[in-house]
Amino acid sequence: NAGVTQTPKFRVLKTGQSMTLLCAQDMNHEYMYWYRQDPGMGLRLIHYSVGEGTTAKGEVPDGYNVSRLKKQNFLLGLESAAPSQTSVYFCASSWVRSGGLTEAFFGQGTRLTVV
Amino acid sequence: AQSVSQHNHHVILSEAASLELGCNYSYGGTVNLFWYVQYPGQHLQLLLKYFSGDPLVKGIKGFEAEFIKSKFSFNLRKPSVQWSDTAEYFCAVNALRSGNTGKLIFGQGTTLQVKP
Repeated sequence: NAGVTQTPKFRVLKTGQSMTLLCAQDMNHEYMYWYRQDPGMGLRLIHYSVGEGTTAKGEVPDGYNVSRLKKQNFLLGLESAAPSQTSVYFCASSWVRSGGLTEAFFGQGTRLTVV
Repeated sequence: AQSVSQHNHHVILSEAASLELGCNYSYGGTVNLFWYVQYPGQHLQLLLKYFSGDPLVKGIKGFEAEFIKSKFSFNLRKPSVQWSDTAEYFCAVNALRSGNTGKLIFGQGTTLQVKP
């Protein structure tokens, strides 16, 4: 099984450009998440989805949009990239049982640089 | 708002030394607790997790963690580290409540450097 796959792995953008990061999971998980990782700040939640067709804001949603048109895919869009969005982006998926989260499975990450 | 605090940001140890990384969280309700490891250039991998029951949990590669509810802590330990343990370690908390969405709150991370 591939698990969680992110595309692309690296990208350099100019300020103002747009791009979409793709996350695909093959575990039939209901829940999917986008995090960004910055030095000294751990991972912070950008947006998440609890099922196909649903999305919600996380801790740091400004400047990003997401879509979950298919259960297995979760797209993260940057409409007008800014240098502050230079970061490593991680997608994750999980399923939640009645007693709580099982565990989250993470993709390999996308290193984005905005110049 | 809930938060997770990792006390040590950068730890340097020699091989065979013992390791303890601190993690405290600020949520009074029921929690699921996790430790993830990130080796250089790689994605996060689960080391261990606590859901309920025995507060001492054992994970992969000889790691263990103890949940102390009264102290809101979930410290990670390993009796004898190896050079291959060099990595960044993240504590994460899922605060359970009605409509649980599985969102994780991460600590800032601890970089562990093990000298051969």
